[in-house]
Parts: sequence; C-alpha cells; structure tokens
Amino acid sequence: DSGVTQTPKHLITATGQRVTLRCSPRSGDLSVYWYQQSLDQGLQFLIHYYNGEERAKGNILERFSAQQFPDLHSELNLSSLELGDSALYFCASSLQTGGYNEQFFGPGTRLTVL
Amino acid sequence: AQKITQTQPGMFVQEKEAVTLDCTYDTSDPSYGLFWYKQPSSGEMIFLIYQGSYDQQNATEGRYSLNFQKARKSANLVISASQLGDSAMYFCAMRETRGYSTLTFGKGTMLLVSP
Repeated sequence: DSGVTQTPKHLITATGQRVTLRCSPRSGDLSVYWYQQSLDQGLQFLIHYYNGEERAKGNILERFSAQQFPDLHSELNLSSLELGDSALYFCASSLQTGGYNEQFFGPGTRLTVL
Repeated sequence: AQKITQTQPGMFVQEKEAVTLDCTYDTSDPSYGLFWYKQPSSGEMIFLIYQGSYDQQNATEGRYSLNFQKARKSANLVISASQLGDSAMYFCAMRETRGYSTLTFGKGTMLLVSP
C-alpha cells in the first residue's frame, strides 16, 4: 500500500458525460501528479500540482481539468467524454518537486466510456 | 524521438534465474533520474529502484539492481533469482530537471516467470 488513495476504483459512463476522479496523496506529500495509461498511448503525464498550484502540464486535453485543494487532495475532471478517454488514470504523490523524487502511485481509477 | 525506449515487449525467464530488462534513454539534461516501476496484473504501479545521473555506483535494492551505463545512455534492470511473483509489466521512466519532476515512461516490458 503506497498510502495514496484514489476513488472510485472503477467508473463506467457514457459518451458526452462528465466525471470527477479523486486523489488523496500520502500524508505530508505536497505534490500530486496525474497520469493516463491507455493501450495505444501508454503511460502519459497529464498535470502536476504542488501545494495547490499548477506546476506543469503534459498531454492534457482541454476537456480535462484538475485542481488541488487546501487539504492537498486533488480532483481530475473529465468532460464531454469520448470512447478514447477510456483508460486507467493514476494519481501519484511526492514530498517535493526537485532532487530525488520518488513518486508513489495510487491504485488507479479505471474509466470505461461506452 | 522517444525519450525512453524499452525494446523488449516481452521476456520469459525460469524461476530462480536472473533476467535483464533493457532501457535506453535520451536527454540533453545533465541532471536526471531513472526509475523502474513494476505493474502487476492488479494494476498498481510499484516503485522498484532509482538511479541518479550523478550517482557513481549502480543502484541496488534487494534482488533488483540497475546496470547504469551513462555513456551508452542505458539503465537496464537486473532481477536476480526470479520468482513467480515477479511476473508483471515493468516500466522504465526518466525525470529530467527541466521537467519539473514529471516522469516520462517507456512502453514497458512484460516479464513472465515460469516454474
């Protein structure tokens, strides 16, 4: 158990819908990262928050957004869902942003868009 | 160009034998870190081992060791005395200093350990 929690574990929804994925980092970790794992694209970095502020964006679609709250939990919002958004979404956390920076991954949320 | 290349889609090894999973990387950043993660069929990502670009010695963690050849830009994972529970997908990843600590992953290698 990495100490990172993600809810829900599974999510099945229809095209055009909007969903929210939730992540609670390890106690004391200030950084939260979101990754998407799909069969065709592999593991891709989406976005990074540090202590409530956005630090870096990767291949995140405009239909997707995220935020990190004062209690450091984070939410990833996916809207106007398409079939291709079906993937495993990981949240990871780390204490800081620089230096040796092991990222601890949550169990993931498996999103299925029908 | 791919930043992380894992050329072996799948590898087979017998229990108790050693296996090497290949990883080459591409960066112009002098300061970077290399990571290996294991993803079993249950889906979670498990951190295995880390090597910093300035580390003089190869990293080791139990049965895992990293064969770091900086000039060749390779960071191969060596698993000694394979166990059935080692069957999983293995990902090599890199963090560049310029990348605000985000990880870039390779496509992974599926390892199957047979009795």
